[in-house]
Amino acid sequence: AQSVSQHNHHVILSEAASLELGCNYSYGGTVNLFWYVQYPGQHLQLLLKYFSGDPLVKGIKGFEAEFIKSKFSFNLRKPSVQWSDTAEYFCAVNAGYGQNFVFGPGTRLSVLP
Amino acid sequence: SAVISQKPSRDICQRGTSLTIQCQVDSQVTMMFWYRQQPGQSLTLIATANQGSEATYESGFVIDKFPISRPNLTFSTLTVSNMSPEDSSIYLCSVAEQGAQGYTFGSGTRLTVV
Repeated sequence: AQSVSQHNHHVILSEAASLELGCNYSYGGTVNLFWYVQYPGQHLQLLLKYFSGDPLVKGIKGFEAEFIKSKFSFNLRKPSVQWSDTAEYFCAVNAGYGQNFVFGPGTRLSVLP
Repeated sequence: SAVISQKPSRDICQRGTSLTIQCQVDSQVTMMFWYRQQPGQSLTLIATANQGSEATYESGFVIDKFPISRPNLTFSTLTVSNMSPEDSSIYLCSVAEQGAQGYTFGSGTRLTVV
């Protein structure tokens, strides 16, 4: 069965600091990988996704993620965070089109102004 | 990408009652999923709703508690039956869009059981 782990439960950064959120998954086959963000009081929004090809994926709002197959990892990065990036970040995987997601436990990011 | 309208957005219900949550999509989709997000936790899949067949439930979720309907390719409902305070959660529907391989989530229904 698939599983997803996220390294940090809560990350606190100052504005302009660099961000890296870890995500590791457990699955033996081909997977699709996603990062979702949930701003306070709002619904899930897709930040970026990886299906195949270039393992470095760029998403919205300056976020990017790198798929490292040998490490079963899909870490999320942003070179300079803003206060508005304060949110909950979820890594998720699925085994292909039409398959359900398995979500990680989430990482809460707090950016201090 | 598909646009999902999920209703109600929130509700406060008495224990022992039932609530039906609706998920309307602006395009035909094959796969629809229902998730639960308990307070402070991640999302957990409840069931997969396929048009023309019974929903497939994940371990720990049963049809008597969470009956699902999927009458057509643009609509689904999830009912939370005989509610207790432990059912207080956000319930979300999600659709998988063929071709674009996109996945869209509804805005969620925040349920509080008192």
